[in-house]
Amino acid sequence: GENVEQHPSTLSVQEGDSAVIKCTYSDSASNYFPWYKQELGKRPQLIIDIRSNVGEKKDQRIAVTLNKTAKHFSLHITETQPEDSAVYFCAASSYTRGNQFYFGTGTSLTVIP
Amino acid sequence: DTEVTQTPKHLVMGMTNKKSLKCEQHMGHRAMYWYKQKAKKPPELMFVYSYEKLSINESVPSRFSPECPNSSLLNLHLHALQPEDSALYLCASSPQESGNTIYFGEGSWLTVV
Repeated sequence: GENVEQHPSTLSVQEGDSAVIKCTYSDSASNYFPWYKQELGKRPQLIIDIRSNVGEKKDQRIAVTLNKTAKHFSLHITETQPEDSAVYFCAASSYTRGNQFYFGTGTSLTVIP
Repeated sequence: DTEVTQTPKHLVMGMTNKKSLKCEQHMGHRAMYWYKQKAKKPPELMFVYSYEKLSINESVPSRFSPECPNSSLLNLHLHALQPEDSALYLCASSPQESGNTIYFGEGSWLTVV
């Protein structure tokens, strides 16, 4: 089965700095990679996703990059703000496995004002 | 609109009680899911329904019993739970089973006493 590893587990940055979270996956059949943000006591919410036919995707301050050869993908947040503080989960899924998502272990991001 | 609604938001039950969690979506999604989430951990898949049929059961104990009365509704029946079953239970849906984003409901916080 798929194995998704996520690093770091905790990350603290100063407001305005950039934050990068990295995930690796093991199954080359994985072709869809979403990122979820979960604030304390709330549900995971999709913030950005990327499919295997694309190398990079941006949405305002958030970007995701995918390296299929190395089997890793990363979340980049620029100009961080205190409201970016949350737990971020990466995930991988594949058409061949139905819609079974394999989640990373999460990164707790703290943006220090 | 990506709304998945869950009730109740909070539930406290004894180990001999029988209760149910309910989930509803009106987005025409044909796949619905139950996830269990412990604090600071990623969501763990429990069940997947595709076109109202159970397609994945992740070896969940029989004290959890899912039901999909129609394409918009998903229930999780609870009976004889253990304190370690206390967690956030998340319902989710996606447009079809394979290769699409899943959208989470707000969750039901369950405490077993």
